[in-house]
Amino acid sequence: ELKVEQNPLFLSMQEGKNYTIYCNYSTTSDRLYWYRQDPGKSLESLFVLLSNGAVKQEGRLMASLDTKARLSTLHITAAVHDLSATYFCAPFDNYGQNFVFGPGTRLSVLP
Amino acid sequence: SQTIHQWPATLVQPVGSPLSLECTVEGTSNPNLYWYRQAAGRGLQLLFYSVGIGQISSEVPQNLSASRPQDRQFILSSKKLLLSDSGFYLCAWSIGQSYEQYFGPGTRLTVT
Repeated sequence: ELKVEQNPLFLSMQEGKNYTIYCNYSTTSDRLYWYRQDPGKSLESLFVLLSNGAVKQEGRLMASLDTKARLSTLHITAAVHDLSATYFCAPFDNYGQNFVFGPGTRLSVLP
Repeated sequence: SQTIHQWPATLVQPVGSPLSLECTVEGTSNPNLYWYRQAAGRGLQLLFYSVGIGQISSEVPQNLSASRPQDRQFILSSKKLLLSDSGFYLCAWSIGQSYEQYFGPGTRLTVT
C-alpha cells in the first residue's frame, strides 16, 4: 500500500519569501499530481509530473519529481497572499491503480 | 467542455437518518467516477470508485454504499448515518485510472 507524507503540514511565511514543500511516498509511482484547495472549496489541479526529473512551473510555483528518491517538491518563490491555500500531492499507486493523496500542507502567507 | 455537479451543497442530518448524495458529469462518456471524504482539516480518503455502470469498488469498509445507475451518475448512500460520517464529500471524474481527476464542488455533511 502506497503511503504519502508531506512536510511541513503547516507553513506560515511572509510575503516575498521562498520555501519548499516536500512530498515523500513509499512505493514506486510513475506519475504525481499537485492540487490546490482554498478554504471550503474543492480541489484544483496545479501540476502533473509524468517522469523522473520532470519539472513544471507556473507563476511563483515550481514542481519537480524524483521517482528514484520517491520525492516531489513544490517550490514557492517570492510568496504572495493569494498563494494561501492547502496543497496536496497525489502520487499514483501502480499496484492499487489509484491516486493516493497526501495529508496536505496548509500554507498561510502573511503580509 | 466537461462539468461535474454535486448536490446538495450542504446537508445537516441527524444520527441514524438515511443519506443520498448525487454526482453527475456532463460532456464526457464512460468516465471513471470517484467518491472521496475529507474530514475537517484533513486529507482526502477514497471511499468508492467506478469504471463503468454498475461497477463499484469499495476502498474502505463502512456504513456507506455507492451506486452508478447511469454512465454519468454516481450516488453515495447510507441507511443510517453516524456522527463520524460528517465531512466534506467530493466527487471526481477522470478519463482513466492513471489520469488527472477533476473534482466537483463538494457536499458538506454535518451529522448531529
